[in-house]
Amino acid sequence: AQSVTQLGSHVSVSEGALVLLRCNYSSSVPPYLFWYVQYPNQGLQLLLKYTTGATLVKGINGFEAEFKKSETSFHLTKPSAHMSDAAEYFCAVRAIIQGAQKLVFGQGTRLTINP
Amino acid sequence: EAQVTQNPRYLITVTGKKLTVTCSQNMNHEYMSWYRQDPGLGLRQIYYSMNVEVTDKGDVPEGYKVSRKEKRNFPLILESPSPNQTSLYFCASSFIFGSGANVLTFGAGSRLTVL
Repeated sequence: AQSVTQLGSHVSVSEGALVLLRCNYSSSVPPYLFWYVQYPNQGLQLLLKYTTGATLVKGINGFEAEFKKSETSFHLTKPSAHMSDAAEYFCAVRAIIQGAQKLVFGQGTRLTINP
Repeated sequence: EAQVTQNPRYLITVTGKKLTVTCSQNMNHEYMSWYRQDPGLGLRQIYYSMNVEVTDKGDVPEGYKVSRKEKRNFPLILESPSPNQTSLYFCASSFIFGSGANVLTFGAGSRLTVL
């Protein structure tokens, strides 16, 4: 079965500091991995995705994530945090259940940026 | 503009009073899904649909119904709402084939309170 674990429900960093949000997955099929972001009072929007090919994936707003098969990880990073990055972030993995593709989400990590 | 539209955005109702949350997408997506978001639990799938007249239960379907009579619409029905259905609900859609597969577009959310 496919599942996602996000380490840390809350992460707090200073403006300008490195952002690192951790995601580990389990999957019995080649994983397709996603990061979504939810800004306050909004729906989720796609930050980036990994399907095949290059393991370092660049997304919107300066975020990137690296797929590491040996570590079953897909951590999200940004070199320098901005106040506008404050949001909740969800990691997700594609699951195939009874022949249907669907996304399984982690529990989310709330990112706070300190001035 | 490509979007998923949910209505109502906010609703307060009482136990047992039937309600419907509408969802409509304008992207010709085959796949549509309903999620509920609760603190500490992330996103949990309620129901999903792979195409017209094809619906399936997600992880937490109890107390909900859906229908998919047209490709663009996927209403969520609460026949007899109870307080434990107080939550933030999201509708989402995607293609099921090609590079757009699994890339969900989310609505802005519907916050439901059942008294």
